[in-house]
Amino acid sequence: KQEVTQIPAALSVPEGENLVLNCSFTDSAIYNLQWFRQDPGKGLTSLLLIQSSQREQTSGRLNASLDKSSGRSTLYIAASQPGDSATYLCAVNNNAGNMLTFGGGTRLMVKP
Amino acid sequence: ETGVTQSPTHLIKTRGQQVTLRCSSQSGHNTVSWYQQALGQGPQFIFQYYREEENGRGNFPPRFSGLQFPNYSSELNVNALELDDSALYLCASSLVMETGYTFGSGTRLTVV
Repeated sequence: KQEVTQIPAALSVPEGENLVLNCSFTDSAIYNLQWFRQDPGKGLTSLLLIQSSQREQTSGRLNASLDKSSGRSTLYIAASQPGDSATYLCAVNNNAGNMLTFGGGTRLMVKP
Repeated sequence: ETGVTQSPTHLIKTRGQQVTLRCSSQSGHNTVSWYQQALGQGPQFIFQYYREEENGRGNFPPRFSGLQFPNYSSELNVNALELDDSALYLCASSLVMETGYTFGSGTRLTVV
């Protein structure tokens, strides 16, 4: 059974800092991995999608890496801003492609 | 292109009642999945529908059931509501595994 863990559970940083969010998964037989952002009480916004054959994806100030063999992914946020404050969730898509397994999320607070 | 839309946004029900939640998939997407997200936790997979057939189910009892219609919209039905069913219910649609999932804004269900 796939298990996904995100560390840290919460993070508070001053504006402008670069930061790294971690995601680990127990079963490396994944199809792809997706990072999402969730604002309080809202749905999920997809940030980055990494296929199992890829090592990283970039979008603006966000960069996600994937090391499938070690069961790890990181989300790097450059020059953080207060608007980045949200919960960040990683989810792995198993090889059957019919479900996402989510981590518990990292709650990020960026202080002005 | 339109995204995933869910209705209603909020709902309050009494224990023992039945509820139906609705989801319209993103245009062109043929697969729809439902997730339950308890407060402070990552979403949990309920089930997925593809071509109007259930295509995978998570660890949820039979009182959670679903439908997918020819236009790829979907319903989630929950019978005999329990207090622990209080959660944010998220719908996600996809076309092929390579493109990842698009989520709606969710329905907040409160069971009293």
